[in-house]
Amino acid sequence: QQQVKQSPQSLIVQKGGISIINCAYENTAFDYFPWYQQFPGKGPALLIAIRPDVSEKKEGRFTISFNKSAKQFSLHIMDSQPGDSATYFCAASFTGFQKLVFGTGTRLLVSP
Amino acid sequence: NAGVTQTPKFRVLKTGQSMTLLCAQDMNHEYMYWYRQDPGMGLRLIHYSVGEGTTAKGEVPDGYNVSRLKKQNFLLGLESAAPSQTSVYFCASSYFPNTEAFFGQGTRLTVV
Repeated sequence: QQQVKQSPQSLIVQKGGISIINCAYENTAFDYFPWYQQFPGKGPALLIAIRPDVSEKKEGRFTISFNKSAKQFSLHIMDSQPGDSATYFCAASFTGFQKLVFGTGTRLLVSP
Repeated sequence: NAGVTQTPKFRVLKTGQSMTLLCAQDMNHEYMYWYRQDPGMGLRLIHYSVGEGTTAKGEVPDGYNVSRLKKQNFLLGLESAAPSQTSVYFCASSYFPNTEAFFGQGTRLTVV
């Protein structure tokens, strides 16, 4: 119930392509869905987050798409660049819940 | 503004030894978390705290203890280290679970 399932585990995209990472959840109480980006040797850092009152949020080349009825949300990276190569984690929480639940991560490699 | 600081950054322990990992945050956050990161398993919550003097178990608490005597510090202890505790440990803090979480740089622990 409190899990967030993330796919794929790894992804290789050519420079300029679109990277898509998907997450699914079961608990309909979740109302906060962030994505974190982690570079090797560093801690994760917040990339972008969405709340379910909107179906899409865009920040530069990064977009979250949210499908409440399907209980899914995804991260789209447009015009992917080698500097985007990192591990990406989706997560979920809700007001009154004391934790942030993470997906298992996606290792993205953008080839030059 | 230092954010979240973890010490030490690296440590090698022999089986059965004990150690304490220190996490310090300067953002006046109520919530603090300890995660471990292992390949293919994402970020798994060990213990967390919702305020000074409080602690609670996460999903993988066995073999670890924590204390939060001061609001800005969250300590993770290993009383008798085991090779299965070889991992990268991350501390994080946030105002609430459904707001941005800030991570430290991580501690790479090897138990031999």
